Amino acid sequence: DGGITQSPKYLFRKEGQNVTLSCEQNLNHDAMYWYRQDPGQGLRLIYYSQIVNDFQKGDIAEGYSVSREKKESFPLTVTSAQKNPTAFYLCASSARDPGTNTEAFFGQGTRLTVV
Amino acid sequence: AQTVTQSQPEMSVQEAETVTLSCTYDTSESDYYLFWYKQPPSRQMILVIRQEAYKQQNATENRFSVNFQKAAKSFSLKISDSQLGDAAMYFCARGSQGNLIFGKGTKLSVKP
Repeated sequence: DGGITQSPKYLFRKEGQNVTLSCEQNLNHDAMYWYRQDPGQGLRLIYYSQIVNDFQKGDIAEGYSVSREKKESFPLTVTSAQKNPTAFYLCASSARDPGTNTEAFFGQGTRLTVV
Repeated sequence: AQTVTQSQPEMSVQEAETVTLSCTYDTSESDYYLFWYKQPPSRQMILVIRQEAYKQQNATENRFSVNFQKAAKSFSLKISDSQLGDAAMYFCARGSQGNLIFGKGTKLSVKP
C-alpha cells in the first residue's frame, strides 16, 4: 500500500543528545514537510523540501536539521541545541506544492520525550 | 508573518445537528489553496475538504461544506447531521509557496 511512514512512534532522548526521526514515503511525492505539534499551538512548520538535495527552513527551524538525499526519505534530526524538544512530530508529503493543487498526506507521527 | 486564525478553541454540537467552525487567514497572494483537516484521538491527520482560491463555488464533501469569502479572507467549515465520529480536532490550513500553514485548531465535541 502507498503511504507515508514515520518511525519510531515513541522516542525518548536524554538531554544533550541528538536524535533522528525517520520519514519515508512511497507515494512518489516531490515535496516533504516536517511539523511540530504542541498542545494549543496547532502545527508549526520546521523544514520542507520541494526536491531532492534541496530544503528550506520553516518558522521554527532552530535546533533542527534535515537532509533529502533520496526522494523517498526526509529524516529530521533534533539536535541538543533545541531547547524544548519534547513534542509530537508530524511528517507530510505532497505531489507538488500544496499551495497550488494538491493535498498533503501525513504520517502517524513520532512522540519525542526528553528525559 | 502570514497567519491562519481559528477563533474557537472548543465547540460542541448535538448529534444530528449542524455546527460551523470558523477560520480566517492572512495572505498577500492571489493563488492559494485552503484546507480543513481532521485529527481524531489517534492523531492521524485526515483531509476533510479543500478549496481552490480561484474558484468562487464553495466546496462540498457529503456532510461537509465550506463558506469561502475571499475578500474577507474567511473559510468556515459546516458539518451537517453531526455524528459521534466527527468528534476530533479540526485544523484550518492555507497552502502557498511550498508552505502549508495551520491554525491552532478547534476541538469539536459531539453529544449523543
